Amino acid sequence: EDKVVQSPLSLVVHEGDTVTLNCSYEVTNFRSLLWYKQEKKAPTFLFMLTSSGIEKKSGRLSSILDKKELFSILNITATQTGDSAVYLCAVHTGNQFYFGTGTSLTVIP
Amino acid sequence: DAGITQSPRHKVTETGTPVTLRCHQTENHRYMYWYRQDPGHGLRLIHYSYGVKDTDKGEVSDGYSVSRSKTEDFLLTLESATSSQTSVYFCAIRPTGGNEQFFGPGTRLTVL
Repeated sequence: EDKVVQSPLSLVVHEGDTVTLNCSYEVTNFRSLLWYKQEKKAPTFLFMLTSSGIEKKSGRLSSILDKKELFSILNITATQTGDSAVYLCAVHTGNQFYFGTGTSLTVIP
Repeated sequence: DAGITQSPRHKVTETGTPVTLRCHQTENHRYMYWYRQDPGHGLRLIHYSYGVKDTDKGEVSDGYSVSRSKTEDFLLTLESATSSQTSVYFCAIRPTGGNEQFFGPGTRLTVL
């Protein structure tokens, strides 16, 4: 059975902290891994990773995929209150996408 | 903006009534998906489509049917709504040849 597991379930940090969100997966036909940010509305696309060791960066956010150990991490540096959201990890296996239950991040001023 | 709209955006209905949700896209993408999102469960796939009249079941398809008679529209029908189908429903598309997925704004459905 294909599955995606995210940890931690929730996280509370202070502005300026650095956070690391984890996503592990077990799927039969890996095509890509995606990260989304969800703020009380539809998920918005952040990154897509397809190859190991490739770090994607967008401002203060970065992500790495390890296809050997079957996990990905999402790093957020110098967190801001606007980073407060649920972060979703998903794996594309061909026809379907499998989602983790998300990590809820709260950034306190 | 992936050009995805959903209608209605909010709906309250009663148990036993039929409900149809519509997803409309403007960019002729081949793949379209319907998910439901519930606390503690994340996003779960209901049905997906890989072309006109080509659909398949997802993880939580019981109680739902879909139709895709045109590339741009993907309809989700609850034949007889139950309270367990109270949820937020998201439509998504995957660009042809791509490996990413983009979401519509969602429909909040309440079944009383």
